[in-house]
Amino acid sequence: TQLLEQSPQFLSIQEGENLTVYCNSSSVFSSLQWYRQEPGEGPVLLVTVVTGGEVKKLKRLTFQFGDARKDSSLHITAAQPGDTGLYLCAGERNSGGSNYKLTFGKGTLLTVNP
Amino acid sequence: KAGVTQTPRYLIKTRGQQVTLSCSPISGHRSVSWYQQTPGQGLQFLFEYFSETQRNKGNFPGRFSGRQFSNSRSEMNVSTLELGDSALYLCASSILAGGGTGELFFGEGSRLTVL
Repeated sequence: TQLLEQSPQFLSIQEGENLTVYCNSSSVFSSLQWYRQEPGEGPVLLVTVVTGGEVKKLKRLTFQFGDARKDSSLHITAAQPGDTGLYLCAGERNSGGSNYKLTFGKGTLLTVNP
Repeated sequence: KAGVTQTPRYLIKTRGQQVTLSCSPISGHRSVSWYQQTPGQGLQFLFEYFSETQRNKGNFPGRFSGRQFSNSRSEMNVSTLELGDSALYLCASSILAGGGTGELFFGEGSRLTVL
């Protein structure tokens, strides 16, 4: 069973459309990170949300952390071809003492067609 | 500022062989984590090293091992390779001043193909 479920798994849209990607879990996280990975490269951090109910905006990207800190969403407004990539959410939990473990979802592969 | 460097970028091995992958973290970063990425399972955590000590370990068999050197460079080794070990192996470093994972800076990965 995947700790973090991302949906949809694949998304293909036209330039200018809006979209939302979801990251859900039954577990509570101390923080949640969103990464974007482009072909041939490693993931790059977009944002970290820490507080339940928190909303962060990064230009056309809006990230929300659920009130119970179990889920998150990423909304992209007026998508552009440059937004194409694999979007990964990652939840952080304390694994004992001062140790923390980051668990990734399987990702949403977004294709924005010109 | 140099990023995380992984070598080799691509390699092909046959079943039963072993492989060693190398990772040089960003200067000043003391935490190095390793992940296996496959289309079916996504990013799976292998292990994390901090100041030469393994601090966290994922659910992988003992064939997967790693170590970290005093200069924070890290290596991972996979022995007795299986077809299912074919994957992109990603290394990530973090400055990690205290508790918490912090931002992970990933390398471009080592693409392993097992024939």
